Amino acid sequence: EVQLVESGGGLVQPGGSLRLSCAASRFTFRVYWMHWVRQAPGKGLVWVSRINSDGSSISYADSVKGRFTISRDNAKNTLYLQMNSLRAEDTAVYYCAREFTGFDYWGQGAPVTVSS
Amino acid sequence: EIVLTQSPGTMSLSPGERATLSCRASQSVSSSYLAWYQQKPGQAPRLLIYGASSRATGIPDRFSGSGSGTDFTLTISRLEPEDFAVYYCQQYGSSPSLTFGGGTKVEIK
Repeated sequence: EVQLVESGGGLVQPGGSLRLSCAASRFTFRVYWMHWVRQAPGKGLVWVSRINSDGSSISYADSVKGRFTISRDNAKNTLYLQMNSLRAEDTAVYYCAREFTGFDYWGQGAPVTVSS
Repeated sequence: EIVLTQSPGTMSLSPGERATLSCRASQSVSSSYLAWYQQKPGQAPRLLIYGASSRATGIPDRFSGSGSGTDFTLTISRLEPEDFAVYYCQQYGSSPSLTFGGGTKVEIK
């Protein structure tokens, strides 16, 4: 069964940085586009960022552009999200997801809290 | 950016009843790239429907999707106890950004 396991979440002060990782297993990671999606407490799903299979094409939501950086290491089967200049409104559970026909597999989520 | 508006926000139904959820787009969406997800409290979303009408692997046939252009529908023919959850539509073909609807909560009446 496909597995996506996020790590790196936690509590950070406003203006701080955090790097999330998403370890992929039991599928050929290097051929799939991958995404980050977040969900603030009690709110809906919000798409954050996308990276194509070889990392040559990247997109971001306007709300994180210039602050977040998505990347991947296909040799390590790992997706990353570097989050800088964090704000209170970035507080959310962050999910990585695989795109195939829709987002067919999701990780369990990494909680990020931005607070002083 | 394509905005997806889901309605109603909440629907109260009994097990065995039919649920019809709406997703309306601010501009035309390719049917190939319209998906529906189910999310239960404390869990990650689960893909139900992709390409507007194709069921994902392992999804029961009581779930069906339809629609095109700007109007899409998710129908649950007979609600089972495990179907009470929040449902989201999503368009994933519009580059560079993707969007989710605000969600419809299906609660037990």
